[in-house]
This record gives sequence, C-alpha cells and structure tokens, in this order.
Amino acid sequence: QSALTQPASVSGSPGQSITISCTGTTSDIGGYNYVSWYQQHPGKAPKLMIFDVNNRPSGVPDRFSGSKSGNTASLTISGLQAEDDGDYYCSSYTSSSTQVFGTGTKVTVL
Amino acid sequence: QVQLVQSGAEVKKPGASVKVSCKASGYTFTDYYLHWVRQAPGQGLEWMGWINPKSGGTSYAQKFKGWVTMTRDTSITTAYMELSTLTSDDAAVYYCAKSYYSNVEVAAATGTFDYWGQGTLVTVSS
Repeated sequence: QSALTQPASVSGSPGQSITISCTGTTSDIGGYNYVSWYQQHPGKAPKLMIFDVNNRPSGVPDRFSGSKSGNTASLTISGLQAEDDGDYYCSSYTSSSTQVFGTGTKVTVL
Repeated sequence: QVQLVQSGAEVKKPGASVKVSCKASGYTFTDYYLHWVRQAPGQGLEWMGWINPKSGGTSYAQKFKGWVTMTRDTSITTAYMELSTLTSDDAAVYYCAKSYYSNVEVAAATGTFDYWGQGTLVTVSS
C-alpha cells in the first residue's frame, strides 16, 4: 500500500486560509469516508483534527474543516494562527482492511 | 481522562527484538482497538497494525507480518508490540493509539485515532 500523496509544504500569513490536499486511489480515499487528519508538533504525538472526512472532535476549532472529492481529500485551515504551524498527515482506511497515512505536509505560518 | 502511557526508550543491537508496552487508563480497555504507528526520524507516520483487547485478535500491515506481534494483558490494561530481527531501518518512535470507534461499531477497525501514547524511541545500533 503506497502512502497517500500530500504537498511537502504549504504556507500562509496569519488570518489567511490554506488548503492541504491528500491524493489516494479508489482503494482508499475514493472508496471510503474514513479519512482523518492529524496535526503534529515537533517531538509530540499526533493529534486528531478531522475524522470521517469532515467531522471535528470536540475541542478542535471550527477553523479546521475537511472535504473529499473522488480520490482526493482536503484539509482547510481558515483564519490561520501561529499555533497552526506544524506537520499535518492525512490517513485513510483501505480496501485491504488496513490504514495508510499521507506523506505529510509542513505548514508554515509566515 | 484517557491516557496511554508507553514504556521508556530502548537501545537494541541489530538482530535483537524489542517489546514496547502501552498502559491504558481512563476508559474501558476492552472496548476499543489499540493500534501501533511508527515514525522514523524526520519521516512520516507508518501504520503497523491493531489489536482487539477484548478478543486478542490482531491485524498487521503486510510489511510487518511475520515479524511483529501485538498482545495484551487485560488484567493490567496494557498492550504490547514486539518487533523482532531489528535492523537500522527500524529505528523510530513507536506510538500506540486508541481507536475512536468502539469494538461494536462497524468503523471499529478503520483507524481513526483519538488518543495517542507519548511515543517510545527505539534506537538500533551495534
């Protein structure tokens, strides 16, 4: 199972919106609505930000939203804030009953 | 509150095995799958597999079949991940992560992780 494809880096100024894409296949993203997004700060464990494509766990700001079209999922961060700086990973369930992560995107708040 | 507390850092020689523990608290241990994910230095996340703490059933990523073993001890609400025949490529931080969905839900094994352990650094060096 190959990793899902994400851009290596995305940047934006405070207050702006950015979108991170995550591209897979019909065997993962395109076949299931079990897409999650995780935020990771250096030296820390990942944190769940979005699950089931577009659901936010309690405590996650509504600035974070998710969507999916075909084999590509997206995470949008609106009103970018300094604390949003970090690495972001998408994840999807697969037709092999396994889980696959994306390659990761480094978000830089300018 | 839900907590997953992992065992401490390990230094192993090539060819050795390592066993990492994950002590769960704050929820019913047997109601949620526990997954294992690793992250090599400077690299991305890699899913390794899961264990159903209620039944002991497991599912491993194809890459790890034959050399990873996931077990649990329900009496002490602890899960274990053992990786054998270590090479330098296995040097990584290993995380346990709790499934968001309970065992009885269709989505139980779909790998939405709502709580993570703090990670265990495994170093492989001769």
